[in-house]
Amino acid sequence: EPEVTQTPSHQVTQMGQEVILRCVPISNHLYFYWYRQILGQKVEFLVSFYNNEISEKSEIFDDQFSVERPDGSNFTLKIRSTKLEDSAMYFCASGQTDEAFFGQGTRLTVV
Amino acid sequence: DQQVKQNSPSLSVQEGRISILNCDYTNSMFDYFLWYKKYPAEGPTFLISISSIKDKNEDGRFTVFLNKSAKHLSLHIVPSQPGDSAVYFCAASGGGNKLVFGAGTILRVKS
Repeated sequence: EPEVTQTPSHQVTQMGQEVILRCVPISNHLYFYWYRQILGQKVEFLVSFYNNEISEKSEIFDDQFSVERPDGSNFTLKIRSTKLEDSAMYFCASGQTDEAFFGQGTRLTVV
Repeated sequence: DQQVKQNSPSLSVQEGRISILNCDYTNSMFDYFLWYKKYPAEGPTFLISISSIKDKNEDGRFTVFLNKSAKHLSLHIVPSQPGDSAVYFCAASGGGNKLVFGAGTILRVKS
């Protein structure tokens, strides 16, 4: 069964460093998303991407964040200068219409 | 942001009995509702969804009921199995593909 895959599963980074989280969505899906879940909190929407552009973003998704679909199969989330409060599970998701199918997540720890 | 609320943080049910997970929402623009199941260290797994034009959707042991006038939905699992023990998230969308998640309910099915 096709699935969304994310790498790495765990990333530790120094505060102020840039990180890139990678995702391979399900191949025939058209919508791509990033969500995050800070420990003990809700799953929160970050950004949605459709037709090679951002279709919606939350207030969390500020100038430190960017997304890219560099080669038609990967979908990346870049955090330019990480802060301690960026530590969370980051989930990539993809979908064809209303349902979103999630990857296993990347645990980002900023130290 | 409390647009989607799951007021029961946890629920404990005996194997073979019915599990009923509840969710309330406040945003009348929501027109599509989903339930996800999540195991520790994994991403949310899509379970079942319902459009606002329906009041019930069934898939095997899982049934979702929607009461639009009360802005309430519920997920029924019958019969409950120990493998159903997980965190269950209610999510809603409307006017776009962004999902708004509830805080989750931990379901424990005792054998």
